[in-house]
Amino acid sequence: GAVVSQHPSRVICKSGTSVKIECRSLDFQATTMFWYRQFPKQSLMLMATSNEGSKATYEQGVEKDKFLINHASLTLSTLTVTSAHPEDSSFYICSAPNGPEAFFGQGTRLTVV
Amino acid sequence: KNEVEQSPQNLTAQEGEFITINCSYSVGISALHWLQQHPGGGIVSLFMLSSGKKKHGRLIATINIQEKHSSLHITASHPRDSAVYICAVRSWGSQGNLIFGKGTKLSVKP
Repeated sequence: GAVVSQHPSRVICKSGTSVKIECRSLDFQATTMFWYRQFPKQSLMLMATSNEGSKATYEQGVEKDKFLINHASLTLSTLTVTSAHPEDSSFYICSAPNGPEAFFGQGTRLTVV
Repeated sequence: KNEVEQSPQNLTAQEGEFITINCSYSVGISALHWLQQHPGGGIVSLFMLSSGKKKHGRLIATINIQEKHSSLHITASHPRDSAVYICAVRSWGSQGNLIFGKGTKLSVKP
């Protein structure tokens, strides 16, 4: 079956630094990828839609200058959390559709100290 | 009100019991997914449904489009089934992103 690889799986960073998370579709091309965030005991919430070769579209309330998304190829999307703060600590997960199916990365647990 | 509601939020069962998790949604959908999330956070897709019923091993998923309701059943539950089960829908007109329920935390005791 299709595989989406996300890394790192876990990262701890200091306040004010930036963290890059990568999401790769390994055996299919993904013109669109989705980035979700999950706070404890909450459902996953869509942050942004990453579009290959064009600008990402962000959900209301998500700062595009803080969460930089780049989708430079058909198999790779990156999410960079810039100037991270403790409130950005969360679980981030990407997803790529392949036809009607949805495939998920392993997720990234970000802790900002 | 959330667009996707799941019940129960938490469920504890004894090994061997038959388990049902319910999902109701309020939007028009093109597909409904049942997902499994393990403690580390990784998510596995169990089923994608647009109508009727699907079965994989001990897992059965059903959907009633008219009633906007789906159920996930686990027969002969086992401790390794312990996980969070999430219902998610793909609404009509979306680019493929999903709207998620809050999940049902299942714990199966030996």
